[in-house]
Amino acid sequence: KAGVTQTPRYLIKTRGQQVTLSCSPISGHRSVSWYQQTPGQGLQFLFEYFSETQRNKGNFPGRFSGRQFSNSRSEMNVSTLELGDSALYLCASSGSGREASPLHFGNGTRLTVT
Amino acid sequence: EDQVTQSPEALRLQEGESSSLNCSYTVSGLRGLFWYRQDPGKGPEFLFTLYSAGEEKEKERLKATLTKKESFLHITAPKPEDSATYLCAVPADNNDMRFGAGTRLTVKP
Repeated sequence: KAGVTQTPRYLIKTRGQQVTLSCSPISGHRSVSWYQQTPGQGLQFLFEYFSETQRNKGNFPGRFSGRQFSNSRSEMNVSTLELGDSALYLCASSGSGREASPLHFGNGTRLTVT
Repeated sequence: EDQVTQSPEALRLQEGESSSLNCSYTVSGLRGLFWYRQDPGKGPEFLFTLYSAGEEKEKERLKATLTKKESFLHITAPKPEDSATYLCAVPADNNDMRFGAGTRLTVKP
């Protein structure tokens, strides 16, 4: 079974630009979550999508947004990039419904904002 | 507020030297405690889920245990390939996963 796939692996952007990251979950998984990982803050929850609906949202500004398609693939978008947005962005999928279940992570997209 | 605290931040062991990593949590109504391993440049890899106090799970040289306030990840006779950052996490009220800061384990040959 193929794992979670994230593209691209690396991105370099300039302040003020916007960026779109892509995630393909494990086949059959309907829940997709996004996390930001930085050395100072660790892993922080951005949002979760289930069946094309945003089910939960973390404490991030509105510049961070996402969506999920009917095939469960997901994208996240960051607009008006700031230097502090430099991080590893991780996507995770899980196969269950509302009960907590293990997350299966991709290898992330490393975003550098200059 | 739901919190997860891991200790130590970093741990250096000689190959074969057993030790334990700690994860303490405060959450209203535990719905599972999850352990992950993360290698540099990669996403976290799921290891174990523990659901109730007294539960234990084992995988190769790793054994995870759970009490009402904390979990331990015991590493028996570690090898250099066990070097990684180990993360624990609990589901928060809105179902997002709340992660600890991790323990960075280095095993020297």
